[in-house]
Amino acid sequence: EAQVTQNPRYLITVTGKKLTVTCSQNMNHEYMSWYRQDPGLGLRQIYYSMNVEVTDKGDVPEGYKVSRKEKRNFPLILESPSPNQTSLYFCASSRDSYSNQPQHFGDGTRLSIL
Amino acid sequence: QKEVEQNSGPLSVPEGAIASLNCTYSDRGSQSFFWYRQYSGKSPELIMFIYSNGDKEDGRFTAQLNKASQYVSLLIRDSQPSDSATYLCAVANYGGSQGNLIFGKGTKLSVKP
Repeated sequence: EAQVTQNPRYLITVTGKKLTVTCSQNMNHEYMSWYRQDPGLGLRQIYYSMNVEVTDKGDVPEGYKVSRKEKRNFPLILESPSPNQTSLYFCASSRDSYSNQPQHFGDGTRLSIL
Repeated sequence: QKEVEQNSGPLSVPEGAIASLNCTYSDRGSQSFFWYRQYSGKSPELIMFIYSNGDKEDGRFTAQLNKASQYVSLLIRDSQPSDSATYLCAVANYGGSQGNLIFGKGTKLSVKP
């Protein structure tokens, strides 16, 4: 089954404790992206990657890191999480970044930073 | 700053009626337009996409695009309570080096039995 898999689905942690949210897709997609969703603010892009070893900042990259060492994986790293990063996070992928292909979303990760 | 605007709602319609959801966008270079449905706490799921001016129909859903007016809409015919969700409009400009989607904040639809 074609899917985007995120882990963990839920996480409660404390300020400053490094964490990684994993994202993996099995569709051989070139393009992957991370979003956060907050009430009243909608979906905002954090980082995106157009292919292996190619990443770029989205609209709200501060406090986040990403890497794209393999085509299927695109982890989101919070080096020193803070309470304002409490949010619902979605990973998404699409075939590529230059054709009219829709993005497929993972099930989401709900992060609470205390 | 590229923007996608939607009325936040809630939009309330009776069961069986037509729900009309609207979206405007600021980037004239936008090429692809998507409608996603999102139930509370769940991930967005794609309903429709449209690339050319005019109407595109898929079952009970019709997407309408007017690039001159920078306007895209989604019509849901014979609305059902299960259609109650937030509908996200997303716009993409695939020119150049960027391939990211810009999302509107969504319109909450409530279909009353």
